[in-house]
Amino acid sequence: QSALTQPRSVSGSLGQSVTISCTGTTRDIGGYNYVSWYQQHPGRAPKLMIYDVDKRPSGVPDRFSGSKSGNTASLTISGLQADDEADYHCCSYAGSYNYVFGTGTKVTVL
Amino acid sequence: QVQLQESGPRLVKPSQTLSLTCNVSGGSISSGTSYWSWLRQPAGKGLEWIGRIYTSGSTNYNPSLKSRVTMSVDTSTNQFSLKVTSVTAADTAVYYCARGAGGHSDWFAPWGQGNLVTVSS
Repeated sequence: QSALTQPRSVSGSLGQSVTISCTGTTRDIGGYNYVSWYQQHPGRAPKLMIYDVDKRPSGVPDRFSGSKSGNTASLTISGLQADDEADYHCCSYAGSYNYVFGTGTKVTVL
Repeated sequence: QVQLQESGPRLVKPSQTLSLTCNVSGGSISSGTSYWSWLRQPAGKGLEWIGRIYTSGSTNYNPSLKSRVTMSVDTSTNQFSLKVTSVTAADTAVYYCARGAGGHSDWFAPWGQGNLVTVSS
């Protein structure tokens, strides 16, 4: 099972929007609506930001949104804030009781 | 709210067994439909799911690690554990424990703070 493909880095100015893509196959992203996204600040544990493709846990700002089309999932951060600068990881159920993560994307706020 | 904390040795010799324990506080490990997972992250790299265990004892493991991984749960102490046998330098990583959703949803939250394990002689 190969890791999902994410861009190594994306950047945007304060207040702007950025979108992070996460590309898999029909055996993972394309086959299930179980995509989740995690934010990870340096030296910290990952934090759940989006689950089941487009659902936000309580406490996560509505500036964070998720979507999916075919084998690609996306995370959009609107109204970028300084604290959004972090690494973001996507994850998908991959069938047969297995999960696969993405390669990770570093978001830089300019 | 539920909190998780990993514990275990930070240095393991090659070919030996890595053993970690995750303590669950703020709620019963047996409540709801949740399961309990281990994940890891080598320095500067992405996350890797290692496996999960339900409080029934049922387990699922990443096929790439299945032959070397064993998970167990102790509901009396609200803890679950991970063993990885025959470790090599490739097993050097920060190891995290996390709660999994269960039911008709899928996510990992919350996560423990992580335990850096280095495999070296």
